[in-house]
Amino acid sequence: AQKVTQAQTEISVVEKEDVTLDCVYETRDTTYYLFWYKQPPSGELVFLIRRNSFDEQNEISGRYSWNFQKSTSSFNFTITASQVVDSAVYFCALSEARGSNYKLTFGKGTLLTVNP
Amino acid sequence: DAGITQSPRYKITETGRQVTLMCHQTWSHSYMFWYRQDLGHGLRLIYYSAAADITDKGEVPDGYVVSRSKTENFPLTLESATRSQTSVYFCASRGLAGGGTYEQYFGPGTRLTVT
Repeated sequence: AQKVTQAQTEISVVEKEDVTLDCVYETRDTTYYLFWYKQPPSGELVFLIRRNSFDEQNEISGRYSWNFQKSTSSFNFTITASQVVDSAVYFCALSEARGSNYKLTFGKGTLLTVNP
Repeated sequence: DAGITQSPRYKITETGRQVTLMCHQTWSHSYMFWYRQDLGHGLRLIYYSAAADITDKGEVPDGYVVSRSKTENFPLTLESATRSQTSVYFCASRGLAGGGTYEQYFGPGTRLTVT
């Protein structure tokens, strides 16, 4: 069975600090997909990124970067120079490529609060 | 570009009543999903549908019924609402994986309170 663990329940930082959100996953599949979603206080779930299990390149998008390491089954998310607008709950999710379902399993989420 | 919409956004109902939450997507995505989000449990899958007239249970299907007569609509019905079904409900959709689409896109959510 697949599982996603986000050990950090809540993180509080001051604006402009860098912050890393941890995500550890478990799967028996060799092909799988990892995702990060953002849920701001307004409540919607916003897709941020998808990584394929066969592509371990790290990715950077503006102030956001993602570090995927298969050796440690981790897919961590770093926000550089955090801003108040980054305050949200962030979810890591995993999808196994079995059949055609590609169902998502979510972690419990990390509440990030960025204080001015 | 409406994307994926849910209605109503807020609903208060009484125990024992039937209530239907609507979900509509304009992308012609094959897959649609219903989740509930509760404190301490995160997001849990209720039902999903691979195509019109094809539905399957998720992690927490008891007390819920779904149908999908058209690709764009995926209503979720609580046949006899209970207080434990008070939650925020999210609908999501996804295209065919073979087309390179693996991520799910979520609607704005419906906050349901059962009194």
